[in-house]
Amino acid sequence: QKEVEQDPGPLSVPEGAIVSLNCTYSNSAFQYFMWYRQYSRKGPELLMYTYSSGNKEDGRFTAQVDKSSKYISLFIRDSQPSDSATYLCAMSGQTNFGNEKLTFGTGTRLTIIP
Amino acid sequence: NAGVTQTPKFQVLKTGQSMTLQCAQDMNHEYMSWYRQDPGMGLRLIHYSVGAGITDQGEVPNGYNVSRSTTEDFPLRLLSAAPSQTSVYFCASSTGLERTDTQYFGPGTRLTVL
Repeated sequence: QKEVEQDPGPLSVPEGAIVSLNCTYSNSAFQYFMWYRQYSRKGPELLMYTYSSGNKEDGRFTAQVDKSSKYISLFIRDSQPSDSATYLCAMSGQTNFGNEKLTFGTGTRLTIIP
Repeated sequence: NAGVTQTPKFQVLKTGQSMTLQCAQDMNHEYMSWYRQDPGMGLRLIHYSVGAGITDQGEVPNGYNVSRSTTEDFPLRLLSAAPSQTSVYFCASSTGLERTDTQYFGPGTRLTVL
């Protein structure tokens, strides 16, 4: 069983809809949770970062972490065609140095239909 | 700043050939990592470095060597290429000063081994 599970999609929604992306994980040591966005043929870029449980909002994006259920979510409000990309969740535990050892989900490919 | 740069963008090798994937960053980051991205597998850590002269293995290190003689450069060497090493390779860097540190990814190298 993978440490991080993510539905690969593809997921297609109409413009303006609310998008919900999710990951589950099995490693209780994970404390830091991230969402990366990856456009086609590009490197991933950090979208949201959350430490431990709770919510974090940034513009149209909201990240949620429920450590008791080992479940994280990313919500996109008022989705735009420019949000079409692959979204990767990533996690790390307590390390001595920082976030250099990330465990990634497989990514969910999202398409926003105009 | 150019950020994280990778060369080449594309490469085709024959089984048994060796080559070096180049990675450089101009942000004075201490931490650098190499990942490979395969369909259905997500990003997996190959090797990482917490500073010049210090490297360590990630999740899938077999068949790859790294060294870190300078802060700026972190080359990845394939010793004897195999078809299983066909993948997209990403280099990433971060300051490592905080647990909230952002990893910056390069644009990737697409490698095909025949």
